Amino acid sequence: SAVISQKPSRDICQRGTSLTIQCQVDSQVTMMFWYRQQPGQSLTLIATANQGSEATYESGFVIDKFPISRPNLTFSTLTVSNMSPEDSSIYLCSVVTRTGFANEKLFFGSGTQLSVL
Amino acid sequence: RKEVEQDPGPFNVPEGATVAFNCTYSNSASQSFFWYRQDCRKEPKLLMSVYSSGNEDGRFTAQLNRASQYISLLIRDSKLSDSATYLCVPSTGGFQKLVFGTGTRLLVSP
Repeated sequence: SAVISQKPSRDICQRGTSLTIQCQVDSQVTMMFWYRQQPGQSLTLIATANQGSEATYESGFVIDKFPISRPNLTFSTLTVSNMSPEDSSIYLCSVVTRTGFANEKLFFGSGTQLSVL
Repeated sequence: RKEVEQDPGPFNVPEGATVAFNCTYSNSASQSFFWYRQDCRKEPKLLMSVYSSGNEDGRFTAQLNRASQYISLLIRDSKLSDSATYLCVPSTGGFQKLVFGTGTRLLVSP
């Protein structure tokens, strides 16, 4: 499986500010995603990070609030903009890697625990 | 109705016990199925994929029942390290279409 480095691991931020989360993978991956897991909730897909082009956002998520970059196949950033306490959550980078012939699997980074005051 | 329904638990079992979790999904177009485990304050980790014929990986057995739209996970000879939340994850196609359940919590005690 790929080694996924996500940072920061946690942060406490003031409302109205922005935080950028980085995700670095040690090998080229076919797909990269950003998820959110709010307290006591299941994981929700925010967007698919597309290499060299705009991310594909899921319903309820917009680029102005969650701008995403993916300049190459192994790196992506998610920014949480103009934060409010409702943005307090765990944000997870995930990647799809090929583990064998016609066998792809989804793996997660260790997550970023964000608290907004 | 939720897309994925799981009993939140917790399931409290002693070491060595056999425990089973069920998960129901509402979208009959679901094609792929996975079980992930998530330890407290950690990221989800893939436990196993679920195939139509059912599959086994060591102490873990996964079954799929398409007619009734549920999948199951059986854990034999439970270990303390099996304590975690188990997430049921169907997909209607592709990794962009994964739907994560809220999970079933398992606590294995000595």
